[in-house]
Parts: sequence; C-alpha cells; structure tokens
Amino acid sequence: QVQLQESGPGLVKPSETLSLTCTVSGYSISSGYYWGWIRQPPGKGLEWIGSIYHSGSTYYNPSLKSRVTISVDTSKNQFSLKLSSVTAADTAVYYCARVTVVVPAMGWFDPWGQGTLVTVSS
Amino acid sequence: QSVLTQPPSVSAAPGQKVTISCSGSSSNIGNNYVSWYQQLPGTAPKLLIYDNNKRPSGIPDRFSGSKSGTSATLGITGLQTGDEADYYCGTWDSSLSASYVFGTGTKVTVL
Repeated sequence: QVQLQESGPGLVKPSETLSLTCTVSGYSISSGYYWGWIRQPPGKGLEWIGSIYHSGSTYYNPSLKSRVTISVDTSKNQFSLKLSSVTAADTAVYYCARVTVVVPAMGWFDPWGQGTLVTVSS
Repeated sequence: QSVLTQPPSVSAAPGQKVTISCSGSSSNIGNNYVSWYQQLPGTAPKLLIYDNNKRPSGIPDRFSGSKSGTSATLGITGLQTGDEADYYCGTWDSSLSASYVFGTGTKVTVL
C-alpha cells in the first residue's frame, strides 16, 4: 500500500524559503508515476503547486512558477518542495500526492499524504 | 480564483440523492478527464472518481461521475451522515498557461 508523509518546518518567516519533503513508502518513485504538491489555505480550496517525474521532469503552476522548485531523490524515495520569498498568503496545509498522468496532462491525485500546516509569520 | 465553478453547498436528507456540478470551459473539462475528491473534516482529500466516471477500488457505487461538454457532475445516492464533506472536481487546463485546476469546492450537508 502506497503511503506518503510530508515533513518540514511548521513556521517560516516572511521572505524566507519554505522547504518540505515527502517520503514515499510502499512504492518506488523510480518505478513510475509523477509526484505532486498541492496546498490549501485555511478555510479555502485546493491549489496545485507542481509535479515531478523520477527523471526530474517537472510541471509547475504558472502562478507560482517563479518561486517554486520541486526535486526528487530516488535514493531516499523522497521528493521535495521549495517555495521562495514566502508571504502570509503562502500559509496553508501542504499535501503531497502521487499523480497519474493521462498523456499529455495530469490526470488525478491518489493517494495523498495527511498534509502539514505551514504558517508564514515573523 | 478557480476556473472551475461548483455550487458552494448542497444538502439533502439521509437516503436521498445529491448532485454537484462542475462548470468549466473547452480548455479544461471540455478536452480533459475530470476527477473528483472527497475531503472529510480535518482530513486530506481522497480520490472518488477519475477519468470522468471511474471509481477507484473501495469507493462504493453510490458515488458516480459524468461529463457532458464543458461540465461535469458528481452524484451521491443513498446519502449517509458520513458523506458530509467538501467535494472538489479537478482537471488539467491546457490553455497557454497550462495547469492542473481544482473546482471551488462544494460542502455537502446531510440534514
């Protein structure tokens, strides 16, 4: 059974870089699929951040692209998110998920990690 | 804001049926597959429907999905108190600014 678990600081200062890692168990990232990040501000809807393949190929949300970097470490079966120059508007629960691609598009997200709340505040 | 529009809320009594609409355009729903997610209070979203109308293993057939043109619909029959949750549609938007997009979300209340 595939499981994903997010980890990283729960508090980040404004203008700094948010860094999160998603550890995958029960499936080897190198075996396929894309892997993605989604966020949800408190009381609001879902926003796709970006996705990565084990080869390193990435897709990013155009609205966040200038600030986002997603990377993969197949040796640790992990993928990571970095979001730079954060503001209070980046406060959200951040989820990681496995992505099924229906070429040439992102198809669906399943399963999801439990999510981690990141608060941007000084 | 999202390019996929859903009603903010729907409600019905236990055992009844509800439908949730997801309205988009030719660049998203019109030319790509739609998925649906259930988010129970305080939990992560869970895949309910993929490829417009397919259910993952373990999802009861009370949940159904359909698509017509630039709109999609999620149906829930035999409504149960455990179905109280937020529901989101999602699809790829293949416009110039290609991106995966989620709907605005719908709160289902069981009366």
